[in-house]
Amino acid sequence: DAKTTQPNSMESNEEEPVHLPCNHSTISGTDYIHWYRQLPSQGPEYVIHGLTSNVNNRMASLAIAEDRKSSTLILHRATLRDAAVYYCILRVSGTYKYIFGTGTRLKVLA
Amino acid sequence: EAQVTQNPRYLITVTGKKLTVTCSQNMNHEYMSWYRQDPGLGLRQIYYSMNVEVTDKGDVPEGYKVSRKEKRNFPLILESPSPNQTSLYFCASSLQGGTRFFGPGTRLTVL
Repeated sequence: DAKTTQPNSMESNEEEPVHLPCNHSTISGTDYIHWYRQLPSQGPEYVIHGLTSNVNNRMASLAIAEDRKSSTLILHRATLRDAAVYYCILRVSGTYKYIFGTGTRLKVLA
Repeated sequence: EAQVTQNPRYLITVTGKKLTVTCSQNMNHEYMSWYRQDPGLGLRQIYYSMNVEVTDKGDVPEGYKVSRKEKRNFPLILESPSPNQTSLYFCASSLQGGTRFFGPGTRLTVL
């Protein structure tokens, strides 16, 4: 199975953009890249996902490298409520299988 | 409101005393699964179910049982809990290829 690698932790100042990287060099051609986040004392929640093209939604943007071996979650203006653990996950195409990494703990400084 | 609910949210028990953690979803999802979360190990899948009466082992199934008799419910059963099953447990559901919805978690302590 492919796996993901993320930095253990990152810090950002409030109101500034945050770029959270993820390496998935062994990704298969049809695996989807998902990002979830886990706020303190809560279950993980969906943020965004993509396959090949960059994606935007109201929460974030997802930039996927052309070779798909890495991706970056972009929070355009971090707020204190964005402090969470962010997981980069591969969803194996045609299955329900999710491959979780250990996540990046994002700290947002006021 | 679309949601996954788990009960109980907190449980302290003793070794060997059978327990069940319930999970229910109101989104008519086919897929449901159970995870445990431990410090430094991230989320690990215990069991999953692709539909009623269809269940399969995840990565860490030892010591757990599940059943899927109704589409909305997916209980996790610990027949003889041990201290190494002390953990934070999450239930999740989704449609095939869809966003996964997670429950709020059940913190279990086995003494």
